[in-house]
Amino acid sequence: AQSVAQPEDQVNVAEGNPLTVKCTYSVSGNPYLFWYVQYPNRGLQFLLKYITGDNLVKGSYGFEAEFNKSQTSFHLKKPSALVSDSALYFCAVRDNGGSQGNLIFGKGTKLSVKP
Amino acid sequence: DTGVSQDPRHKITKRGQNVTFRCDPISEHNRLYWYRQTLGQGPEFLTYFQNEAQLEKSRLLSDRFSAERPKGSFSTLEIQRTEQGDSAMYLCASSAGLASYYEQYFGPGTRLTVT
Repeated sequence: AQSVAQPEDQVNVAEGNPLTVKCTYSVSGNPYLFWYVQYPNRGLQFLLKYITGDNLVKGSYGFEAEFNKSQTSFHLKKPSALVSDSALYFCAVRDNGGSQGNLIFGKGTKLSVKP
Repeated sequence: DTGVSQDPRHKITKRGQNVTFRCDPISEHNRLYWYRQTLGQGPEFLTYFQNEAQLEKSRLLSDRFSAERPKGSFSTLEIQRTEQGDSAMYLCASSAGLASYYEQYFGPGTRLTVT
């Protein structure tokens, strides 16, 4: 079965420190991977995606993610965290079981950045 | 372009009543998706339209759930005879083009509370 795992329910980081939010996946075929962020009372916002090409993908708000095929991981990173980065982060993979292109999401990781 | 919009933002209904939610996708986006998100979980795929055609509906949670996209623009999701277990956030997303690697843009969601 295709799935996404986010092993940490919460990540705590001090402002200015680097952050990593972990994601591993299981999918048949080529993985199309996505990160979304959800702020309170707002919809999911697209951050970045990996389709093919360079393993390091750069996205919005200074975030980047590293695709590692051998470890089936797609960790989200940022060199210097901001308090405003505090939110709920979701990793997703395209469901390759059909042609509809829907996403399979992880349970989310709450990022808390303290001043 | 004002993004994906959903109406209403909140709905409180009594068990057994029918409810209908509306989603207006980003204009000219061919694909429209409905997801459900419960507390502490990532979004779960429900159904999908490509233009006006509903190409996947087997993931709808029961036959009480139905969706339409009559003219390939806005979409509605109806839940008949609501149950307390239907309480959740219902999210709509749209994406451009026919390739499934396009990112999906999400609306703010409709929060349903069944009493």
